[in-house]
Amino acid sequence: GQQVMQIPQYQHVQEGEDFTTYCNSSTTLSNIQWYKQRPGGHPVFLIQLVKSGEVKKQKRLTFQFGEAKKNSSLHITATQTTDVGTYFCAGFEYGNKLVFGAGTILRVKS
Amino acid sequence: DTAVSQTPKYLVTQMGNDKSIKCEQNLGHDTMYWYKQDSKKFLKIMFSYNNKELIINETVPNRFSPKSPDKAHLNLHINSLELGDSAVYFCASSNSNQPQHFGDGTRLSIL
Repeated sequence: GQQVMQIPQYQHVQEGEDFTTYCNSSTTLSNIQWYKQRPGGHPVFLIQLVKSGEVKKQKRLTFQFGEAKKNSSLHITATQTTDVGTYFCAGFEYGNKLVFGAGTILRVKS
Repeated sequence: DTAVSQTPKYLVTQMGNDKSIKCEQNLGHDTMYWYKQDSKKFLKIMFSYNNKELIINETVPNRFSPKSPDKAHLNLHINSLELGDSAVYFCASSNSNQPQHFGDGTRLSIL
């Protein structure tokens, strides 16, 4: 079945440093979605990528979808304490269900 | 207005009991989900209903039984609760493969 691998599992950064989390799927995806879950909260949708090679930006966050539509990344520039939480990628295989990666827990030291 | 609401928010109960969690969405979505999130934050899909029809039924114990009376509601009943059932259970809704909206979660603790 479809698997979505996400690394790293944890990342501790100093405030102001950059952060990246990576997602890899065992199969080609129709789209990939990214979610953020604050501590004690619920996953909140951030963005959806559909096209091969697509790059989207939201302020300090940059999202990329690979050319083969099997991998994706989320990059945060100059992290802030408000960025703490768990970031999940979720891949949607054609005609199938959404499969979440294991998530990357981000901690930011001020 | 709350988009996806689930109740209760906290559930503390003893092993062997039966309990239910309710979920309602007012977004007009056609698909609803139940997820289990363990202490390591892993989100595992349990069930999915599309217009009241069960479309995803992952490998979960048959002590867990979902029920969708209409497309705005998806409830989860759990029989004979076990220690390993302790987790946060999230309800979510979406239109097909579009982004999912999650409820606040139900924190289930088994004593």
